[in-house]
Amino acid sequence: QVQLVESGGGVVQPGRSLTLSCEASGFTFSRHAMIWVRQAPGKGLDWVALISDDGSRKFYGNSVEGRFTISRDYSKNTLYLQMNSLRPEDTAVYYCAKSVYGGSLFADYWGQGTLVTVSS
Amino acid sequence: DIVMTQSPDSLAVSLGERATINCKSSQSVLYSSNSKNYLAWYQQRPGQPPNLLIYWASTRESGVPDRFSGSGSGTDFTLTISSLQAEDVAVYYCLQYYSTPHTFGQGTKLEIK
Repeated sequence: QVQLVESGGGVVQPGRSLTLSCEASGFTFSRHAMIWVRQAPGKGLDWVALISDDGSRKFYGNSVEGRFTISRDYSKNTLYLQMNSLRPEDTAVYYCAKSVYGGSLFADYWGQGTLVTVSS
Repeated sequence: DIVMTQSPDSLAVSLGERATINCKSSQSVLYSSNSKNYLAWYQQRPGQPPNLLIYWASTRESGVPDRFSGSGSGTDFTLTISSLQAEDVAVYYCLQYYSTPHTFGQGTKLEIK
């Protein structure tokens, strides 16, 4: 069965960097685009980034463009989100999700999320 | 960016009654070349990640009870729960995947009356 396990969350000071990981199993990782979505405490869902199945196309939400970088490692079946210049408003649970196909479509499976807190 | 607006923000419905949630996009999400609406619905129960209910505006995901249905085209969409069950208490989100960045509606909180 599909499993997505996020890690790397924690408390970080404003302006610092953090990298999240998402280990994928139960499907052919190289055939699916992957997505990061976040949810601030008590708030709605915020689409963060998407990487295509072959890694050639990357898309970002407006609030993270230029600060966050999505990437993937096929040898480790792992998705990453490198987050730079973190701000208090980046505080959220970060979910990793699998897209139904290789391109820019919707997610059909989600991980349980990892909490990032940006605070001094 | 496409802005997704849901209504109402919250809704209280009696058990066994119909619940209707609306979602409006700031521009059409209907792709003319394949006549598909790039619109999905998710359910998020407290403390859980989102769960896919509906995609292509009206296709029910495998395993989703048939009391859930989606309709609409272009810019106006509806999620209907035909007979509310206790386990349907959740927040519901629409998502457009027509163009990047993909965008969610603000969510509709569904409660039991």
